[in-house]
Amino acid sequence: EAGVAQSPRYKIIEKRQSVAFWCNPISGHATLYWYQQILGQGPKLLIQFQNNGVVDDSQLPKDRFSAERLKGVDSTLKIQPAKLEDSAVYLCASTYDRFPNEKLFFGSGTQLSVL
Amino acid sequence: GQQVMQIPQYQHVQEGEDFTTYCNSSTTLSNIQWYKQRPGGHPVFLIQLVKSGEVKKQKRLTFQFGEAKKNSSLHITATQTTDVGTYFCAGLLTTDSWGKFQFGAGTQVVVTP
Repeated sequence: EAGVAQSPRYKIIEKRQSVAFWCNPISGHATLYWYQQILGQGPKLLIQFQNNGVVDDSQLPKDRFSAERLKGVDSTLKIQPAKLEDSAVYLCASTYDRFPNEKLFFGSGTQLSVL
Repeated sequence: GQQVMQIPQYQHVQEGEDFTTYCNSSTTLSNIQWYKQRPGGHPVFLIQLVKSGEVKKQKRLTFQFGEAKKNSSLHITATQTTDVGTYFCAGLLTTDSWGKFQFGAGTQVVVTP
């Protein structure tokens, strides 16, 4: 079974530039999550999708971050413009559905460095 | 602010020793999950606890959920070098929607041979 795919693996940009990350969840997984993991911290949920609808984006900095999952499968997360404090690993995760006992399957993440 | 706290933040263990990491929440949890992240890797699911006072074992790992469902612990016996990594707890608050797990900051474990 293929896991959660993410690209790119690494990205280095200068502040005020734009960047986009892509995620393809496990086939058949309805729920998709984007997490931000700053070095030395636990993953912080940015946005949660159920199929192509947003379930929770309360911690997404909407002035600069946007995400979409138009067809309910793969998803993109964009930052525009980037700030130094956005340097982090961006993890995508998926679950089969939004039941309480679902376990998260994480992708390998995109490590973003903002200079 | 962070609602799920983990201690210690860092644990240096001699191979063969036991250690415990703790996870505490300021509010009641519906359930709690534990993940392991190897250096340079991504979090991998270990286990989920749902019932008050629940205890589960996976070989040398023992997981507990507190009676009040506000705390949890992971105990590793006879630590091996393969146990190196960061262990995260992720709690689902009773007030949050399904799937919105709150991760702790993790306990980074270093094992000395």
